[in-house]
Amino acid sequence: DGGITQSPKYLFRKEGQNVTLSCEQNLNHDAMYWYRQDPGQGLRLIYYSQIVNDFQKGDIAEGYSVSREKKESFPLTVTSAQKNPTAFYLCASSRQVNNEQFFGPGTRLTVL
Amino acid sequence: AQKVTQAQTEISVVEKEDVTLDCVYETRDTTYYLFWYKQPPSGELVFLIRRNSFDEQNEISGRYSWNFQKSTSSFNFTITASQVVDSAVYFCALSEAPKTSYDKVIFGPGTSLSVIP
Repeated sequence: DGGITQSPKYLFRKEGQNVTLSCEQNLNHDAMYWYRQDPGQGLRLIYYSQIVNDFQKGDIAEGYSVSREKKESFPLTVTSAQKNPTAFYLCASSRQVNNEQFFGPGTRLTVL
Repeated sequence: AQKVTQAQTEISVVEKEDVTLDCVYETRDTTYYLFWYKQPPSGELVFLIRRNSFDEQNEISGRYSWNFQKSTSSFNFTITASQVVDSAVYFCALSEAPKTSYDKVIFGPGTSLSVIP
């Protein structure tokens, strides 16, 4: 089955720790995205990538880092520099930026 | 600059009522694409429709219909005979024809729909 997987579903982090959220797609899509969603809020774009080995900062990139070494993978690292990382993180992919996005099930990150 | 406005933050309707979710967009491009997504309580967004700027035909899919009007820069979404399973947050989104690696999709703030049994 084609789709997007995100792991883990729930993640707990102590303050000061870096954590990496996984996002994998087998849809052969060129573009991939990371969004953050806070309770009752909309989607905010963290990073996006239109092609392998290239990515761009979104609206709230500070405290986050990504890599795009393979077409199917776009991991997101939440660093200790992110002051308020507790949120719901969604990964998505699309054939190109003007095509519909397919979303993963999300990772809920909680900082203890 | 691109912008998507969904002025209705929350809407509540009684089951079987019709409801329209508004979406107004801004873009300088003549070629662009509009989308609607549904986010049920589980959290995963589901794609509903994609429309390009050259196709102003309205679309109907079961109880769902979309009204695209370039003259008013609107792409409204109507649910007919609403059901409890329609309760979700609905997002409208806009992207322009890709030109650079900086092009991206802009999402509206979302409208939370509650259908009361």
